[in-house]
Amino acid sequence: EAQVTQNPRYLITVTGKKLTVTCSQNMNHEYMSWYRQDPGLGLRQIYYSMNVEVTDKGDVPEGYKVSRKEKRNFPLILESPSPNQTSLYFCASRGRASGSISSYNEQFFGPGTRLTVL
Amino acid sequence: ELKVEQNPLFLSMQEGKNYTIYCNYSTTSDRLYWYRQDPGKSLESLFVLLSNGAVKQEGRLMASLDTKARLSTLHITAAVHDLSATYFCAALTTSGTYKYIFGTGTRLKVLA
Repeated sequence: EAQVTQNPRYLITVTGKKLTVTCSQNMNHEYMSWYRQDPGLGLRQIYYSMNVEVTDKGDVPEGYKVSRKEKRNFPLILESPSPNQTSLYFCASRGRASGSISSYNEQFFGPGTRLTVL
Repeated sequence: ELKVEQNPLFLSMQEGKNYTIYCNYSTTSDRLYWYRQDPGKSLESLFVLLSNGAVKQEGRLMASLDTKARLSTLHITAAVHDLSATYFCAALTTSGTYKYIFGTGTRLKVLA
């Protein structure tokens, strides 16, 4: 089944304790992205990656790191989490043109990770 | 800088009625997306609109794009309770970066 998976789904941690949220997709997609969702603010893009070893900042990258060493994985790293990073996080992926325009442009979202930083 | 404004933020409507959600964006973007999110769930892609005048329909939902007016609309025809959800539009920057900018969402509640 084509999907984007994230782990963990729920995480409660304390300020300053480094954490990693994993994201993996099995659709051979080039483009991957991380978002955070906060009430009243919609989704805001944190980082995105156009392909392996190619990453770029979204609108709210401060306090986050990413890496793209393999095509299928795009982990989100919080080196020193703070309470203002308490949020719902989504990973998404999107493929390149492969005969179907819709598959090229459509983003597939993971199930989300609810992070609480105390 | 691309900004996306969506309205209304909240919409409560009776079953059987029609309504439209509006999505304005501030600078050139050739790609406009609509997503649906049910409470506690992830986002589901509804429509991808790629060019001026594009219109797509799925069931009671119809999306359109006017790139000259920088406006996309999501029209709901004869609403049913199952359409209750939050709807987001998003635009893709295409000038050297490839960022998705989302609207704040429209929470739709369809009353029986």
